[in-house]
Amino acid sequence: SAVISQKPSRDICQRGTSLTIQCQVDSQVTMMFWYRQQPGQSLTLIATANQGSEATYESGFVIDKFPISRPNLTFSTLTVSNMSPEDSSIYLCSVDGVFSTEAFFGQGTRLTVV
Amino acid sequence: GDSVTQMEGPVTLSEEAFLTINCTYTATGYPSLFWYVQYPGEGLQLLLKATKADDKGSNKGFEATYRKETTSFHLEKGSVQVSDSAVYFCALRGGSNFGNEKLTFGTGTRLTIIP
Repeated sequence: SAVISQKPSRDICQRGTSLTIQCQVDSQVTMMFWYRQQPGQSLTLIATANQGSEATYESGFVIDKFPISRPNLTFSTLTVSNMSPEDSSIYLCSVDGVFSTEAFFGQGTRLTVV
Repeated sequence: GDSVTQMEGPVTLSEEAFLTINCTYTATGYPSLFWYVQYPGEGLQLLLKATKADDKGSNKGFEATYRKETTSFHLEKGSVQVSDSAVYFCALRGGSNFGNEKLTFGTGTRLTIIP
């Protein structure tokens, strides 16, 4: 299994500002995944972060809006830039188990943009 | 592309009732199938999984069988408890490569159990 610590757990931000979310894993992992869960909706993958290379973004998500860092094998950040109320969501970090199809999730960051 | 169609919610049941949440999928290859649960205010937790046809995943009294002929992975529990109140997500992951692939989620089903 993997234990994932995500910070902050929640935040209320002013529109036009940026928020950086941190994800720390207790073991080294190849890839880390960032998901968004809009209110009452399912999870949508934002991007996949590989250590030492640029993140791969899903359709509808761009690096300028959601820049991601992956400085080492246990840590990643997701920044939500120039926020608007439509960015109010839960953002979740996820990693795979070693030699496993199972994914583990952090507790999520509940973001409210006012 | 891959997709998951999940039973619409919300679902409200009385304690000790029988639960079924339907899930069907569309995918190429041989995906792995999952049920995740999200308790109020928490992140997602894996409830059970199945990695090949006819496999049955089970955990905490919940079961789901991977049915390739009907492309289904319905979640069942014989007697629900108030503590089962949560949102349940059906998900799949492609079977052509092992790991490091995105999960495709269903829309989620909110389950409320009343005493």
